Amino acid sequence: KFTLTQPHSVSGSLGQTVTISCTRSGDNIASNYVQWYQHRPGSAPTCVMYEDRQRPPGVPDRFSGSIDMSSSSASLTISGLKAEDEADYYCQSYDSNNPVVFGGGTRLTVV
Amino acid sequence: QLLESGGDLVRPGGSLRLSCVASGFTFSKHAMSWVRQAPGKGLEWVSSLSGSGDTTYYADSVKGRFTVSRDNSKNTLYLQMSSLRSEDTAVYYCAKDPMIVVVMSRFDSWGQGSLVTVSS
Repeated sequence: KFTLTQPHSVSGSLGQTVTISCTRSGDNIASNYVQWYQHRPGSAPTCVMYEDRQRPPGVPDRFSGSIDMSSSSASLTISGLKAEDEADYYCQSYDSNNPVVFGGGTRLTVV
Repeated sequence: QLLESGGDLVRPGGSLRLSCVASGFTFSKHAMSWVRQAPGKGLEWVSSLSGSGDTTYYADSVKGRFTVSRDNSKNTLYLQMSSLRSEDTAVYYCAKDPMIVVVMSRFDSWGQGSLVTVSS
């Protein structure tokens, strides 16, 4: 079974740019799409990126996604940080034997 | 919209059934899943089933103890939980997949969650 590894936490100042990584171990990151979810305490999670780099309707273009096959990792980049971006972020993918696998989550702090 | 219910305090070894009522979309055309979050932990996938309900998937941690089902006539997803353990304590979310089958899984809508506490 593959795993998705995320940093426990990242931080950035208002207006800055932060990047959250998600490293896939066990097979190649490009083998299946990666999604990203934002989860604020007490709220339902929401999808902020799907199929590596597609933004759902309503998600601002400050959010962008990418993959790097050389490091087998996906990244979520948030530019122009706002206080409302403070949340936990989870990457998620799958394979033929595992319908859903989440990364451990990254706590984004906006200072 | 997805609305979970049924969460409660239950003793170890006990049983509980969660429900998730869907509205605003054609329920039978979407695979559905349960995802949980234990206190202080991350998201953990629990189970998924296809739009027709004929294909089910379970995490190893719940296989043989939990059963997922759906009643498309009632727009409702269920999770029957038995032989509950303290480590099953979590907020349980139902989540909607854009596709009817469980393949290339992703979730485009989530409920607010229902708290299950397993304790004596």
